[in-house]
Amino acid sequence: RKEVEQDPGPFNVPEGATVAFNCTYSNSASQSFFWYRQDCRKEPKLLMSVYSSGNEDGRFTAQLNRASQYISLLIRDSKLSDSATYLCVVDTYGQNFVFGPGTRLSVLP
Amino acid sequence: GAVVSQHPSRVICKSGTSVKIECRSLDFQATTMFWYRQFPKQSLMLMATSNEGSKATYEQGVEKDKFLINHASLTLSTLTVTSAHPEDSSFYICSALLQGVNEKLFFGSGTQLSVL
Repeated sequence: RKEVEQDPGPFNVPEGATVAFNCTYSNSASQSFFWYRQDCRKEPKLLMSVYSSGNEDGRFTAQLNRASQYISLLIRDSKLSDSATYLCVVDTYGQNFVFGPGTRLSVLP
Repeated sequence: GAVVSQHPSRVICKSGTSVKIECRSLDFQATTMFWYRQFPKQSLMLMATSNEGSKATYEQGVEKDKFLINHASLTLSTLTVTSAHPEDSSFYICSALLQGVNEKLFFGSGTQLSVL
């Protein structure tokens, strides 16, 4: 089993739709969790950290379920500019950031 | 946010030449930096972990003599692709670890290497 797995995608959704991405991790000792977005031929950029209580940043909501070793990202009211690959990242022992394979999102006009 | 500078952004070279890529953390000290490779439409693949003042830790399958990593200061790590071949053509990205209570990774803008 891979350390970090994500929905295979791609997700093609119309503007204004709500879309949810799922991510699971295998190492129960993992400490920190993040969502990054990566545009084609660009570096990944931090979208948001994921906290135990769940957190929201505008249209984006991230949730963590430690018992199920599961992380989610919800995007409401999708914009064309949200089209990108979303990477789930899990940090263990402070020096081992593991990236999921990414889920590609295309928001269509 | 923190800034990581990566140079050059694009390199085109002949087969057999060596290419050096620099990764600098501009506004924080990074004892740990990471080097990744990404082929088109594929996910980031971690190549090695660069630790300031010590040898890099390479992932399985990555040749340490082919991909030389030097992390001589707290703000600079370099990756040298030695005797590059067309199969080394890829997008190389570095990241620097901002340590603290809330650790975060910040990425360089990447280097597109094309070996002819």
